[in-house]
Amino acid sequence: AQSVSQHNHHVILSEAASLELGCNYSYGGTVNLFWYVQYPGQHLQLLLKYFSGDPLVKGIKGFEAEFIKSKFSFNLRKPSVQWSDTAEYFCAVNAPGGYQKVTFGTGTKLQVIP
Amino acid sequence: GAVVSQHPSWVICKSGTSVKIECRSLDFQATTMFWYRQFPKQSLMLMATSNEGSKATYEQGVEKDKFLINHASLTLSTLTVTSAHPEDSSFYICSARESGTFKNEQFFGPGTRLTVL
Repeated sequence: AQSVSQHNHHVILSEAASLELGCNYSYGGTVNLFWYVQYPGQHLQLLLKYFSGDPLVKGIKGFEAEFIKSKFSFNLRKPSVQWSDTAEYFCAVNAPGGYQKVTFGTGTKLQVIP
Repeated sequence: GAVVSQHPSWVICKSGTSVKIECRSLDFQATTMFWYRQFPKQSLMLMATSNEGSKATYEQGVEKDKFLINHASLTLSTLTVTSAHPEDSSFYICSARESGTFKNEQFFGPGTRLTVL
């Protein structure tokens, strides 16, 4: 069975600080990896995804993530956060094929202080 | 982009009543839809996978007789919480995967807040 762990539950940063949120997954085969964001009072939105190819993936709003297969990791990064990045971030994984069941991590709440 | 809607966005009901939540893919067809629940300050937990024209696949620990899922068409799946109790109060979210693609991307609805009194 696949699983996802996010080690940072709550992160507080000042504006312009750099961000890195950790995500590790557990699954022995090929995976698709996702980062979703949930802004306060809004629904989940896809930030970026990795299916194959270049392990450095660029998403919306200046976010990027790097897939490191040897470490089973897919960390999310942003060089300079803004107050509007305050949200909850979820890492997710699914295994291609079948019904594409997606497993979510427990989420990281990011608070950016102006 | 692909849009998924849910109705209602919030509902309050008395204990023992049944509540139906609709999930619609507005601009694409979805053979497969997924139902999640999210407790406060927790992650999304997959409840079941809804397949058009066949029975839903439930995750371990989810009561299929309590959470009835019907995927009547390629754009509509419904979740009915039967004989709801206060512990069923939660945020229910659906997602849909576009048919006929290998994109493996799911599009999420805005969620439905259920409060059982």
